[in-house]
Amino acid sequence: EPEVTQTPSHQVTQMGQEVILRCVPISNHLYFYWYRQILGQKVEFLVSFYNNEISEKSEIFDDQFSVERPDGSNFTLKIRSTKLEDSAMYFCASRARDEFLTHFGPGTRLTVT
Amino acid sequence: AQSVAQPEDQVNVAEGNPLTVKCTYSVSGNPYLFWYVQYPNRGLQFLLKYITGDNLVKGSYGFEAEFNKSQTSFHLKKPSALVSDSALYFCAVRAPYGNNRLAFGKGNQVVVIP
Repeated sequence: EPEVTQTPSHQVTQMGQEVILRCVPISNHLYFYWYRQILGQKVEFLVSFYNNEISEKSEIFDDQFSVERPDGSNFTLKIRSTKLEDSAMYFCASRARDEFLTHFGPGTRLTVT
Repeated sequence: AQSVAQPEDQVNVAEGNPLTVKCTYSVSGNPYLFWYVQYPNRGLQFLLKYITGDNLVKGSYGFEAEFNKSQTSFHLKKPSALVSDSALYFCAVRAPYGNNRLAFGKGNQVVVIP
């Protein structure tokens, strides 16, 4: 069964550095998402992406965040200047056009020191 | 905006006993409801969903959930809990319109005691 994949599984970075989290959604899916989960807290929506543009973003997704689908396969989340509070598990997800289920990747644990 | 409440932080149950994890939701229109499970250091794994039709939905690993529109609830149940069911359970709701982002509850830690 096809799966959403994410790399790396764990990323450690220093405060102020830029990070790029990578995802490969399921190949025929059209809707792409990023969610995050701060340790011990609920999963929070960050952004949705459809037809090569952001379709919705939360208040968390400020100017420090950006998303890109550079090559029709990968879907990336960039954090320009990381803060300590960006430490979280970041989940990529995708969904087919006529499907109800959102498929989640295994997550990238980002640790900002 | 849609939201989910999972009122309990932790649910403790003895192995072999029935397990219930509670969820109530708020959304405009007919909801799409989901349960996901998260094992330690793992991603979100889909358990079951309600879209339309029969209010009782059956999912993976013997879990089921009952949609109750009047109570806006979607409680997760399992008739006989296993130690391996110990995990974090998330209820999520999606509106049937727009870009369909999921709103998650805070999660319930289920501990099945041998």
